[in-house]
Amino acid sequence: EPEVTQTPSHQVTQMGQEVILRCVPISNHLYFYWYRQILGQKVEFLVSFYNNEISEKSEIFDDQFSVERPDGSNFTLKIRSTKLEDSAMYFCASRGTGKVSYNEQFFGPGTRLTVL
Amino acid sequence: DQQVKQNSPSLSVQEGRISILNCDYTNSMFDYFLWYKKYPAEGPTFLISISSIKDKNEDGRFTVFLNKSAKHLSLHIVPSQPGDSAVYFCAASAFGQNFVFGPGTRLSVLP
Repeated sequence: EPEVTQTPSHQVTQMGQEVILRCVPISNHLYFYWYRQILGQKVEFLVSFYNNEISEKSEIFDDQFSVERPDGSNFTLKIRSTKLEDSAMYFCASRGTGKVSYNEQFFGPGTRLTVL
Repeated sequence: DQQVKQNSPSLSVQEGRISILNCDYTNSMFDYFLWYKKYPAEGPTFLISISSIKDKNEDGRFTVFLNKSAKHLSLHIVPSQPGDSAVYFCAASAFGQNFVFGPGTRLSVLP
């Protein structure tokens, strides 16, 4: 069964450093998302991406964040200068456009980001 | 701004009994709803969905009910099994846009 994969599973970084979180969405999916979940809080939407551009973003997704689909298979989230409050689980999700799974988003296992 | 609410942070149910998880929303533009299950250290896993044109959707042991006038949906699991123990998130979307998640309800099914 196809699945969304994410690497690394855990990333530890120093405050102020840049991090890149990687995702490989399901191969025939066209819509891609990043969400995050701070420990003990709800899952929050960050950004959606379609046709090589951002289609929607939340107020969390400020200038420190960027997304890219560099090679047609990977979907990355970059945080330029990490802050302590960026520590969270980051989930990538993708969805197709067919009728069966029109709105169903498939989530990856997440990357735990720890900013020290 | 809590557009999607799950007012019960936790729920304990005996194995074999029915689990009922509730979700309320405030945005009347939401037209598609999903329930996700999440185990510790894993990503959310899709469970069941319902669109606003229906009031019920059933898949095996899982049934979702939607009451649009009350802006309320519920997930029924029957019979509950210990493997159902997880955090359950309700999520809502308007016109295919991003999903807004509720804070989750931790379900514990006791053997």
